[in-house]
Amino acid sequence: SAVISQKPSRDICQRGTSLTIQCQVDSQVTMMFWYRQQPGQSLTLIATANQGSEATYESGFVIDKFPISRPNLTFSTLTVSNMSPEDSSIYLCSVVGSNTEAFFGQGTRLTVV
Amino acid sequence: QKEVEQNSGPLSVPEGAIASLNCTYSDRGSQSFFWYRQYSGKSPELIMFIYSNGDKEDGRFTAQLNKASQYVSLLIRDSQPSDSATYLCAVPRWRGGFKTIFGAGTRLFVKA
Repeated sequence: SAVISQKPSRDICQRGTSLTIQCQVDSQVTMMFWYRQQPGQSLTLIATANQGSEATYESGFVIDKFPISRPNLTFSTLTVSNMSPEDSSIYLCSVVGSNTEAFFGQGTRLTVV
Repeated sequence: QKEVEQNSGPLSVPEGAIASLNCTYSDRGSQSFFWYRQYSGKSPELIMFIYSNGDKEDGRFTAQLNKASQYVSLLIRDSQPSDSATYLCAVPRWRGGFKTIFGAGTRLFVKA
């Protein structure tokens, strides 16, 4: 199994500002995934981050709002830009194991005030 | 039709009973199926996966797969209050790039 370190674990941010979430994996992985989980809801995939190429965004998510970096095979960042209260959510980093099972970081609980 | 559907619950069972969680999927070509448990305020964690039709047992958990009917279920025997959580069904999809499709999750409450 993969060990994923995600930080910060939580933050309270002012509207209009940006927050960058970091995700570090203990092994090299091709794909890293960023999810959003709004209160009481299931996981929504924001984008897939591949090393050496631009991230692939899901419908409803755009690069200007959620820029992603993937500088190497063990690290990725997600930035939530120009935040509004609607961005208050849990953001999760994930990788996939050899059996296509998903492993998750601890999550970042974001509150925008 | 959603790709992966679950009854959101909540499902309430008494301690010691069997909890039955169900999931249906739309892609008949799906090959593998996963169950995750998510405690409140925590990340999802994998508890079971199944590839073949029939039952797969792991301790108090049994996953059941019926590809003809396109459903997968999770049985929890001798339910404990510590099993109270949201259970997510998930199906990997390779079409158009890899992604994992999660169901909405079923909230389970085990009453002591």
